[in-house]
Amino acid sequence: DTAVSQTPKYLVTQMGNDKSIKCEQNLGHDTMYWYKQDSKKFLKIMFSYNNKELIINETVPNRFSPKSPDKAHLNLHINSLELGDSAVYFCASSPGQGGWVDEQYFGPGTRLTVT
Amino acid sequence: AQKITQTQPGMFVQEKEAVTLDCTYDTSDPSYGLFWYKQPSSGEMIFLIYQGSYDQQNATEGRYSLNFQKARKSANLVISASQLGDSAMYFCAMREGLGSNTGKLIFGQGTTLQVKP
Repeated sequence: DTAVSQTPKYLVTQMGNDKSIKCEQNLGHDTMYWYKQDSKKFLKIMFSYNNKELIINETVPNRFSPKSPDKAHLNLHINSLELGDSAVYFCASSPGQGGWVDEQYFGPGTRLTVT
Repeated sequence: AQKITQTQPGMFVQEKEAVTLDCTYDTSDPSYGLFWYKQPSSGEMIFLIYQGSYDQQNATEGRYSLNFQKARKSANLVISASQLGDSAMYFCAMREGLGSNTGKLIFGQGTTLQVKP
């Protein structure tokens, strides 16, 4: 059983388009995250939701809008795509109940290529 | 300021030998956690090992151990008896404010490890 799944795995689109990436976790976790890994492999947090509530919103352009319909799902919508948005986007989840370890489980990643 | 620093962009190790991947961190929070993740060429992020700032002993998980030196703010990953399947990129990460639910991970730049047969 896949713990954290993302769709699609690959996404190729043109500048200016709007696209969404979906994430689902079946671990019963309360907290979900979006990370971006750039071409140099650097990973950076974008957003985090705890029980459908936005708790982390890093300095991300307004074109990026996360949505959490329930605590098992966290989607990422990107408007007016730009070349610089090309990256691998990882979804992750963690128990998020104030535990000390709160290990994060990552999805397989979505490779977004903007042409 | 860089909070997590991995100074080794690339490392080579002979199969069956041990290797140490360096990680230093910077925080003023007394409660923090340090994590190591492995990213093979297939791209997924695999959790390896965790060390809490209050843990008295160094963490171990199978062939992985974490050499935690709190005063030096270092959390090096030691892989014993390297295997070809250990070839991957390794990331050190830190989470501040343990015990809260705002658990963002701050990652280092990563170290690419290649295991030679």
